[in-house]
Amino acid sequence: QQQVKQSPQSLIVQKGGIPIINCAYENTAFDYFPWYQQFPGKGPALLIAIRPDVSEKKEGRFTISFNKSAKQFSLHIMDSQPGDSATYFCAASSHKLIFGTGTRLQVFP
Amino acid sequence: DVKVTQSSRYLVKRTGEKVFLECVQDMDHENMFWYRQDPGLGLRLIYFSYDVKMKEKGDIPEGYSVSREKKERFSLILESASTNQTSMYLCASSLGPYNEQFFGPGTRLTVL
Repeated sequence: QQQVKQSPQSLIVQKGGIPIINCAYENTAFDYFPWYQQFPGKGPALLIAIRPDVSEKKEGRFTISFNKSAKQFSLHIMDSQPGDSATYFCAASSHKLIFGTGTRLQVFP
Repeated sequence: DVKVTQSSRYLVKRTGEKVFLECVQDMDHENMFWYRQDPGLGLRLIYFSYDVKMKEKGDIPEGYSVSREKKERFSLILESASTNQTSMYLCASSLGPYNEQFFGPGTRLTVL
């Protein structure tokens, strides 16, 4: 049972584009929503996180948009760069993290 | 600099062997986790521990056990390895359930 659904599975954009990765959840007890970034050969690392009492959070070029009523949240990467090419995982937590299936992003120069 | 280390980057074992994967963190974190990562399935939680000698099953504990005798060390044990346990295994630690999880580099296990 996939409690956090992530899409798309892969994404290709040109440098400067704005890739958007979407996640949806079912469990209304979730109250912490992080995004992790993983480069090849490395473990995932926390990128940005949000709690459901806010609808948006920005950190640099990365923005989380959160829609509590729709039980959806998304990651936007502004002015994407080739160095952003990685796999991105959304997650949701009440007391343990449930990860989405991941999105492989490729940013071409 | 915070660090989570895993004993091996690559491991090849035979079906039926007992396999130990070791994880050590130097951040004095209470919580430690074992995940497996498979293409198209994301990260799935196998077991986690919120204190020494304490453990709790994750979403896919079957075929695995864990041991946490010291705060900094969390071991994953495959009692009798099977080919469907071929995967990338990731260890993580965190201060608390809502704190950032720090991941190790992973162990790619192949069971032949």
